[in-house]
Amino acid sequence: EPEVTQTPSHQVTQMGQEVILRCVPISNHLYFYWYRQILGQKVEFLVSFYNNEISEKSEIFDDQFSVERPDGSNFTLKIRSTKLEDSAMYFCASNTAGGGTQYFGPGTRLTVL
Amino acid sequence: GDSVTQMEGPVTLSEEAFLTINCTYTATGYPSLFWYVQYPGEGLQLLLKATKADDKGSNKGFEATYRKETTSFHLEKGSVQVSDSAVYFCALSDDSGGGADGLTFGKGTHLIIQP
Repeated sequence: EPEVTQTPSHQVTQMGQEVILRCVPISNHLYFYWYRQILGQKVEFLVSFYNNEISEKSEIFDDQFSVERPDGSNFTLKIRSTKLEDSAMYFCASNTAGGGTQYFGPGTRLTVL
Repeated sequence: GDSVTQMEGPVTLSEEAFLTINCTYTATGYPSLFWYVQYPGEGLQLLLKATKADDKGSNKGFEATYRKETTSFHLEKGSVQVSDSAVYFCALSDDSGGGADGLTFGKGTHLIIQP
């Protein structure tokens, strides 16, 4: 069964460094998403991406964040200058149509020291 | 804005007990409702969904009914197993704009089933 994959599973970085989190969505999906979950808190929507551009974004998704689909398979989330409060689990998701069922990856745990 | 409220956990039950996890929502449009489950060390998996009022979603013995009058989508299972131990998330998609809106999640309920 096709699934969303994410790498790395755990990333440790120093405050102020740039990180790139990678996702491979399900191959025939068209909509891509990033969410984050700070330990003990809700899963929060960050951004959605369709047709090579951002479709929706939340207040959390500020200028420090960017997304890209550099080729036909990968979908990346970049944080330009990490802060301590960026430490969280980051989930990628994809679906075939906006509003349809989203399929999630296993997540990348980001730890900012 | 949209919001989802779930009962606080952890919820601890004995095997074969009846399970209810409450979920209520606030949304401006006509949302679709979802339950996702996260097993230890894994990602979020869709458990069941309902897209309109009075729909019942069901999967693996779990079920939930979309109740518009009470804005609720409570998760139930008649007889839980140890393997059901996980974190359960209620979520909604208010894609009234026709675009790729993100899901709004509840905080999650940690379910522990004891043998």
